[in-house]
Amino acid sequence: AQTVTQSQPEMSVQEAETVTLSCTYDTSENNYYLFWYKQPPSRQMILVIRQEAYKQQNATENRFSVNFQKAAKSFSLKISDSQLGDTAMYFCAFQHSGYALNFGKGTSLLVTP
Amino acid sequence: GAVVSQHPSWVICKSGTSVKIECRSLDFQATTMFWYRQFPKQSLMLMATSNEGSKATYEQGVEKDKFLINHASLTLSTLTVTSAHPEDSSFYICSARDLLQGLSTDTQYFGPGTRLTVL
Repeated sequence: AQTVTQSQPEMSVQEAETVTLSCTYDTSENNYYLFWYKQPPSRQMILVIRQEAYKQQNATENRFSVNFQKAAKSFSLKISDSQLGDTAMYFCAFQHSGYALNFGKGTSLLVTP
Repeated sequence: GAVVSQHPSWVICKSGTSVKIECRSLDFQATTMFWYRQFPKQSLMLMATSNEGSKATYEQGVEKDKFLINHASLTLSTLTVTSAHPEDSSFYICSARDLLQGLSTDTQYFGPGTRLTVL
């Protein structure tokens, strides 16, 4: 079974600053996908970024980037130039192709003015 | 594109009654849909995997006779909570896997969720 661990229950960052959210996972599979999802107070799950395990290059989406360390089974999310709208729960998730997502417990991020 | 809807968004029911929640993929076909449950301040936990035209696969600890899942078409899956009790109060979220994109990107799209309150 795959496990996803997010060791930071809560984090805070000032507007315009950079913050990094941590995620580690455990799997015996070689081909899989990793995701970061954002869940704002509306509770709609929003895909922030995805990473295919076979790709060595770290994924980036505008202000969001990941540091994917496959050997260390680490998948951290960096948010640059933080905005007030980034305030939300962030979930790291693992997926083996074709199967459901396995989520971490989440990190509550608060962006302050 | 890739929109998933859920209906209703919020439902309140009396203990012992049944509630049906619909999950629809609006602009794509989904052979597979997933049902998650999220308790307050907790993560999403997978309840079951729903495949079009076949029986759902339930996760360990999820009562299949209590949470009935039907995936009768490529765009609709339903979750019926039978004989609901207060402990079933939760936020239920579905996701759908795009049939065409799934092979290359394997991206799932989430519905907005349904908040169930059982009195």
